[in-house]
Amino acid sequence: AQSVAQPEDQVNVAEGNPLTVKCTYSVSGNPYLFWYVQYPNRGLQFLLKYITGDNLVKGSYGFEAEFNKSQTSFHLKKPSALVSDSALYFCAVSLYNTDKLIFGTGTRLQVFP
Amino acid sequence: GAVVSQHPSRVICKSGTSVKIECRSLDFQATTMFWYRQFPKKSLMLMATSNEGSKATYEQGVEKDKFLINHASLTLSTLTVTSAHPEDSSFYICSAREGPPVYEQYFGPGTRLTVT
Repeated sequence: AQSVAQPEDQVNVAEGNPLTVKCTYSVSGNPYLFWYVQYPNRGLQFLLKYITGDNLVKGSYGFEAEFNKSQTSFHLKKPSALVSDSALYFCAVSLYNTDKLIFGTGTRLQVFP
Repeated sequence: GAVVSQHPSRVICKSGTSVKIECRSLDFQATTMFWYRQFPKKSLMLMATSNEGSKATYEQGVEKDKFLINHASLTLSTLTVTSAHPEDSSFYICSAREGPPVYEQYFGPGTRLTVT
């Protein structure tokens, strides 16, 4: 069965510092990996995805994520955090492009001025 | 980019009544739509997958007679919570998946349901 783990409920970082939000996955095949962001009382906004190819994926708002097959990880990163990045971040996996998404439990990112 | 709308954004209903939530893809045709439920401080739980013109596929543990899903067109899916109870209060989010070759999935803004 597919699963996604986000080990941190919350990540705190000072504005201007680099941020990392962790995600590990488990699938019985080649994964399709996604990151979404959710602001309060809003739906999910797509940030980036990995399908195949280059392990470093660049997405919206300066975010990027690195696919690491040996560690089964897909950590979200940003070189310099903004206060406006504070939100709930979800990692998701599917087994193929038309499959349903399985979401992690979410990580709340808090960026302090 | 592609836009998915949900209506209403918030609804309060009395226990025992039914509530219908609409999910529309505004500028693309969605062959598949998904309905999720999100509890406070929790992840999204997939409730069902609906394909246009066919019956929805419900996830294990989701009562199909309580959560009626209709996907009558390529741009509209509806979720009806029948005989709602306070424990049905939640944030319901839909997503719509564009057809081939894109297959991108876009999320609606969510509907906050409160059952009193």
